Amino acid sequence: GAVVSQHPSRVICKSGTSVKIECRSLDFQATTMFWYRQFPKQSLMLMATSNEGSKATYEQGVEKDKFLINHASLTLSTLTVTSAHPEDSSFYICSAGLIGGSPYEQYFGPGTRLTVT
Amino acid sequence: AQKITQTQPGMFVQEKEAVTLDCTYDTSDPSYGLFWYKQPSSGEMIFLIYQGSYDQQNATEGRYSLNFQKARKSANLVISASQLGDSAMYFCAMREGVSSNYKLTFGKGTLLTVNP
Repeated sequence: GAVVSQHPSRVICKSGTSVKIECRSLDFQATTMFWYRQFPKQSLMLMATSNEGSKATYEQGVEKDKFLINHASLTLSTLTVTSAHPEDSSFYICSAGLIGGSPYEQYFGPGTRLTVT
Repeated sequence: AQKITQTQPGMFVQEKEAVTLDCTYDTSDPSYGLFWYKQPSSGEMIFLIYQGSYDQQNATEGRYSLNFQKARKSANLVISASQLGDSAMYFCAMREGVSSNYKLTFGKGTLLTVNP
């Protein structure tokens, strides 16, 4: 079945550095990928919708210059957290919609836990 | 106004008993889908069940069933014969529109604890 991977699964970085997180659909093509952020004991909050070959659509309150999203192909979207600060420490999860799939199918990656020291 | 409301921050159930997790939603779109996901401590989101707004029957998937009351805008999840492995966070979510490429809005979640 449809599998979405994320890399890395965990990352620790120093304040002020940038971190890139990859989201790949392994066995299907996805025109749209979504990036969520989840703080401890809270819900998933949508950050942005990533469409292949076009600019990402960011949710209100999400800084597009800080969270750079690139959707270069139908199987890969990347999220770069630029100049990371401790408050960016969170669990980042991507999901992908399956082209031509059932209307309810949206597949989640396993998540990336980011810790900024 | 919140689009998805889960009023139970935490629930406890005895092993082998049934439990209902509540979810109400708010939308003016006639086409929408309702989802339930399980998130264990590992963090992965596990899809449990889906109900489309035009579906006449309540969805069922094994031990999971969705009690869909459209007029009341509620989509409660019923887990029958609870197991220790069911202990996890449960999220109700809604997608407005019919494509899988439309975004999901999540509720705040309910932490379910199954006691032996």
